[in-house]
Order: sequence, then C-alpha cells, then structure tokens
Amino acid sequence: GAGVSQSPSNKVTEKGKDVELRCDPISGHTALYWYRQSLGQGLEFLIYFQGNSAPDKSGLPSDRFSAERTGGSVSTLTIQRTQQEDSAVYLCASSPLADNTQYFGPGTRLTVL
Amino acid sequence: AQKVTQAQTEISVVEKEDVTLDCVYETRDTTYYLFWYKQPPSGELVFLIRRNSFDEQNEISGRYSWNFQKSTSSFNFTITASQVVDSAVYFCALTPFNKFYFGSGTKLNVKP
Repeated sequence: GAGVSQSPSNKVTEKGKDVELRCDPISGHTALYWYRQSLGQGLEFLIYFQGNSAPDKSGLPSDRFSAERTGGSVSTLTIQRTQQEDSAVYLCASSPLADNTQYFGPGTRLTVL
Repeated sequence: AQKVTQAQTEISVVEKEDVTLDCVYETRDTTYYLFWYKQPPSGELVFLIRRNSFDEQNEISGRYSWNFQKSTSSFNFTITASQVVDSAVYFCALTPFNKFYFGSGTKLNVKP
C-alpha cells in the first residue's frame, strides 16, 4: 500500500517568508509525528498528533512553528518568518493505533537563503 | 527521564566483516518499546525491528540480529557479513508508548 508522502520534496525560500510543509500519513493511521533533522544530526521531535486528542507541541522550537491536522489525516507544518537556522529536513511519520511503530515519509528539505 | 545513547558516532568496516552497533537506553517505565531504524544515503528512515520490554528473546533476520538485555539496558544490533548496501546511519529509539526518543545515530561505512 501507499506509504507516508510529503510535499514538496524540496523547498527553497527567502529569509522572512512563510512556508507550509504537507504530510499525508498512511491511510488509517491515527498518530502523526513531525521531526526535524539538521545536516548530519539526529531527529529532533517537533509535534505529535493522536486521533482527536490535543497535540503534544512540546518540541516546537518557537512560536513561529505551528502544525495542524485536518480530519484526522493530512497535516501541515507551518513555519512563519523563516530563519536560516530553520534549514533542515522535515520528516513526518505515522503509526497505527494498535502498534506504535512509526513509518516515515521521505522528508522535505527546506533551505532558507 | 527517557534517553537513548548510541556512543559510536561512526564505524568503518570492510565488506564481509561482522559489526555490532550499540544502543543503551534509560527509562523508568516498566512497559516500553525499542526500535532500530536505518537511514540510507537516500534519506528515508526504514523500520527494521520493534521489541517490547517483556520480550527479551534475541531475534535474527537474515544477516541482522538483535540482542536485548534488560539487565544492562541495552539493545544492540549486529550485522553479519556486512555488505556495501548496509552503509547507512542507524538509529535506535525508545518509546514508553507514543513519544519517541531517538539516539543520535551511528554512521556505518562498509567499504568494498
């Protein structure tokens, strides 16, 4: 079946602009996660959605970052007034309710000039 | 507190050598899950294995094997007869249920 998809695969933007990154989880998966991975680094947790529960936003680095998940499926991560330090690969993962294994998408590479 | 430590930042081996990637974790939860993921140069993380805290049986899958020892809080990963295609960054992760805690990763270079 289809895996997690993310769009765009690459995004180049200018400092100060807003960007939106999209994640389509595996159909039927109730949990959705966003991570950030800077070049050569590990995964930094950003935010977690589980069903209709309030999201765990504890990893969002600043109030410029926000995310929503509409209809329990697609999620959008928005970064406002982008800064050069926001440059990274943004990874999305989803997992089914009965099994907490995370399945990752290919990521969106964000470059802020 | 939850923490995963992968002390080996980078390992280089020659093809056909065996290699073990270490993972040590910390948790106060009695029920938790451990994972290994592979991130090849293409970038997409690939799920390798999931283990729950009540199952300490070692597992073998082809050239891959995992050694889970609760007594030492370790979940080590061994690749037997390594191949160039095994070159990747490998991440160990811990979750009490939903929030994941990843190690910093071990970069494995397998040279022909």
